[in-house]
Amino acid sequence: GQQVMQIPQYQHVQEGEDFTTYCNSSTTLSNIQWYKQRPGGHPVFLIQLVKSGEVKKQKRLTFQFGEAKKNSSLHITATQTTDVGTYFCAASLYNFNKFYFGSGTKLNVKP
Amino acid sequence: EAGVAQSPRYKIIEKRQSVAFWCNPISGHATLYWYQQILGQGPKLLIQFQNNGVVDDSQLPKDRFSAERLKGVDSTLKIQPAKLEDSAVYLCASSLNRIMNTEAFFGQGTRLTVV
Repeated sequence: GQQVMQIPQYQHVQEGEDFTTYCNSSTTLSNIQWYKQRPGGHPVFLIQLVKSGEVKKQKRLTFQFGEAKKNSSLHITATQTTDVGTYFCAASLYNFNKFYFGSGTKLNVKP
Repeated sequence: EAGVAQSPRYKIIEKRQSVAFWCNPISGHATLYWYQQILGQGPKLLIQFQNNGVVDDSQLPKDRFSAERLKGVDSTLKIQPAKLEDSAVYLCASSLNRIMNTEAFFGQGTRLTVV
């Protein structure tokens, strides 16, 4: 399967601090999705990015797709304890329907 | 709208035994996925169905794992015989499979422990 690297593996922040996770691929991606998995839960879809350089926002979350479509980032502004969980990118090479997950970034937010 | 249903939620078996998992996707979803998620790792795609046909099973250990999706709706994943390293959460997901609308909805998963 394709290699989708995600960094960092863990991030501990104080509530109110910002958080960013990065997803990188050595090959050009068709599109990328982001999911959040709460402890003990299942992945929940957050967003899908398709276009080169695309930026999407959901309240405090900002998602970016790189110009070369080889990387993506998720940025959370002013984290809250409800943001705790593992954030996964899921990337597709050739079409929209085969997604391979990154290793995830586990976010812990201290109140 | 009902979500993706999976059963059982938990299963403990001894190595070399067999086990089967069941998944009922969201009604109308043509694409069904089985993922294996080992603790601390991202979900690993085992097999993907489009209706009742296999789209991708490149990472399915076919010597011990099998899956089917009869009539393009429910699906079962079987492991025979199980190994210790098969201990993981097995996630089923489904999507509509329309271009630009491929959000995957996941079930709660089946946590398998092989002892």
